[in-house]
Amino acid sequence: GESVGLHLPTLSVQEGDNSIINCAYSNSASDYFIWYKQESGKGPQFIIDIRSNMDKRQGQRVTVLLNKTVKHLSLQIAATQPGDSAVYFCAESNDYKLSFGAGTTVTVRA
Amino acid sequence: DGGITQSPKYLFRKEGQNVTLSCEQNLNHDAMYWYRQDPGQGLRLIYYSQIVNDFQKGDIAEGYSVSREKKESFPLTVTSAQKNPTAYYLCASSIIGDSPLHFGNGTRLTVT
Repeated sequence: GESVGLHLPTLSVQEGDNSIINCAYSNSASDYFIWYKQESGKGPQFIIDIRSNMDKRQGQRVTVLLNKTVKHLSLQIAATQPGDSAVYFCAESNDYKLSFGAGTTVTVRA
Repeated sequence: DGGITQSPKYLFRKEGQNVTLSCEQNLNHDAMYWYRQDPGQGLRLIYYSQIVNDFQKGDIAEGYSVSREKKESFPLTVTSAQKNPTAYYLCASSIIGDSPLHFGNGTRLTVT
C-alpha cells in the first residue's frame, strides 16, 4: 500500500535554532495529517494536526505546513530546546486509518 | 487521570507460546488500535476496532488475534504463528473520524 515517508532519518540542530522536519506522502486521497513526537521508551505523543483544506496551522512553538500539490508536509519547531530531542513521525489518514513514516531522529546540540 | 494503560512494560516468552498483551483506556473512545514498531521503521497497523464486538485487520495481521468485548479493553494475542514476534507493541485509541490517536507507553515483547 501507499505509505508516508520522511526525507531524512536524522537531524542535528543547535539549541535555539529553528528545526524543519520534512515528510513526503504518496496517497493523494489522504485528507488528514498528524505529527507525533516519540521519546525513548514512550508511546508517540500528539504534536499538531492539519486537514487537507488547510495549508498551514500553528501551535505553541510549532507550525505544520501542507503542500498538496507536491504531497509534502513539514513541521517547524521554533527555538529548539533540549527537550525537543526525540523521534518525530508524520502520519496520514485515509478511511480513518493512520499510516506512519519511518521517523526523523532530532538531536539538539547544546 | 484519563489515558491508555498497557501492561506489562516488558514481556519475555519462549518461542512457540502464545502471549496476550493488555490495553485498557478510560478515555471513552470508540476506536482502538494496535501497532507494531520495529527499530528504524514507522508504526505498522496490526488490528483496529471502531466498535465493541467488531474489529478489522490492519496491514500486518497475520499471526495476531484480538477481541473487543468491552469498550475499554482491546487485548492483542501474539500467536506462535507470528514468525518474528519480538517488537515494541503500541496500543492507541481515538474518537471516530479524523482525530488524533492517543497512545499508551507500549509493551516491549521479546521472544527467544
